[in-house]
Amino acid sequence: GQNIDQPTEMTATEGAIVQINCTYQTSGFNGLFWYQQHAGEAPTFLSYNVLDGLEEKGRFSSFLSRSKGYSYLLLKELQMKDSASYLCAVRALYNQGGKLIFGQGTELSVKP
Amino acid sequence: GAVVSQHPSWVICKSGTSVKIECRSLDFQATTMFWYRQFPKQSLMLMATSNEGSKATYEQGVEKDKFLINHASLTLSTLTVTSAHPEDSSFYICSAREMDWGNHEKLFFGSGTQLSVL
Repeated sequence: GQNIDQPTEMTATEGAIVQINCTYQTSGFNGLFWYQQHAGEAPTFLSYNVLDGLEEKGRFSSFLSRSKGYSYLLLKELQMKDSASYLCAVRALYNQGGKLIFGQGTELSVKP
Repeated sequence: GAVVSQHPSWVICKSGTSVKIECRSLDFQATTMFWYRQFPKQSLMLMATSNEGSKATYEQGVEKDKFLINHASLTLSTLTVTSAHPEDSSFYICSAREMDWGNHEKLFFGSGTQLSVL
């Protein structure tokens, strides 16, 4: 089966750092994605991890531990515009269609 | 970067009518496209995987006859909601898979279609 868990909502202060965790239990694994989604809009790609370790891209970093079924998205120097929903998604193996299975999303509110 | 065009952006229809949503990859060929639906404040739920030239693969619980998917070319997939009812009102999003020369995969999302059935 497929199970992806992330907190429903988080609140942080402008200029601070926030870490959004994601744990997964899937029958196959071929990479983990993080997406940002503002209300009423389509998701936009943030990061991709397929090997263990940290991937850094500007103010955003993402970490993966395959043995623990765990990932986190780290947002630094938070800005008000970072208020959005952050979706963790696991990609199935190609022989399973390579489809993305999304977590419920974490609604992040950045306050002044 | 690659662009996926989805339209219409929003549609209002009467109960019992059918609605077609188009998803086009504008500058790359997409052998595989995915269709999702999203209810307010919920995550994306995969409905089906659309493969060019073959039948779509539907997720469990998704009615094939209700949500018709056609992927007739490498740049176009369509989702038709047949005999729409108010409970079909939702945000529908497509995504297209691009493979680059290094066989690395990227996924790009359309802008979504908000369907409201009266």
